[in-house]
Amino acid sequence: GNSVTQMEGPVTLSEEAFLTINCTYTATGYPSLFWYVQYPGEGLQLLLKATKADDKGSNKGFEATYRKETTSFHLEKGSVQVSDSAVYFCALSYSANDMRFGAGTRLTVKP
Amino acid sequence: EAGVVQSPRYKIIEKKQPVAFWCNPISGHNTLYWYRQNLGQGPELLIRYENEEAVDDSQLPKDRFSAERLKGVDSTLKIQPAELGDSAVYLCASSLIQTEQYFGPGTRLTVT
Repeated sequence: GNSVTQMEGPVTLSEEAFLTINCTYTATGYPSLFWYVQYPGEGLQLLLKATKADDKGSNKGFEATYRKETTSFHLEKGSVQVSDSAVYFCALSYSANDMRFGAGTRLTVKP
Repeated sequence: EAGVVQSPRYKIIEKKQPVAFWCNPISGHNTLYWYRQNLGQGPELLIRYENEEAVDDSQLPKDRFSAERLKGVDSTLKIQPAELGDSAVYLCASSLIQTEQYFGPGTRLTVT
């Protein structure tokens, strides 16, 4: 079935470090891919998305490229801040109504 | 604009007791979702409504879980009786049809 696998956390980085959170997917056809972020005590928020192969989603300095050949959608940021500390979820869907989430990766950024 | 509102934010009950969660979606959003998020896991869909109609409830444990969305706006999710394994965060989300889902802060349920 359709599923998403993301790297296990927690991930701890120093401020201004480079961030990569790996995400790979298993799916038939060509789903849309998403990254959601969950800050402490809040609901999930859409961070970025890509709807077809080779698309790059970007927002708030975060980027992810839809790689069909490696079935991946890795999240990257060149310089993390303390305020980026949160849980990050990779997800896929064929329609916005059918979202499959990964297990989440907790990121802690230390000053 | 107000986001998705959920209450209560936290609930602690003993097993075999009933519990109910309430969700008020973003105004105008006709699609409403209930998810369960177990500790260390991503959200899993329980039920999806389009207006008043439950269009996907295949993952809802119907022996103890029920949901309703009267008048196609607010929704209530109920568990009766609760079991220890029901401890989780219950998330509500809403959207327009085929667009981005907006999530509420969730209700953290602890069953003792």
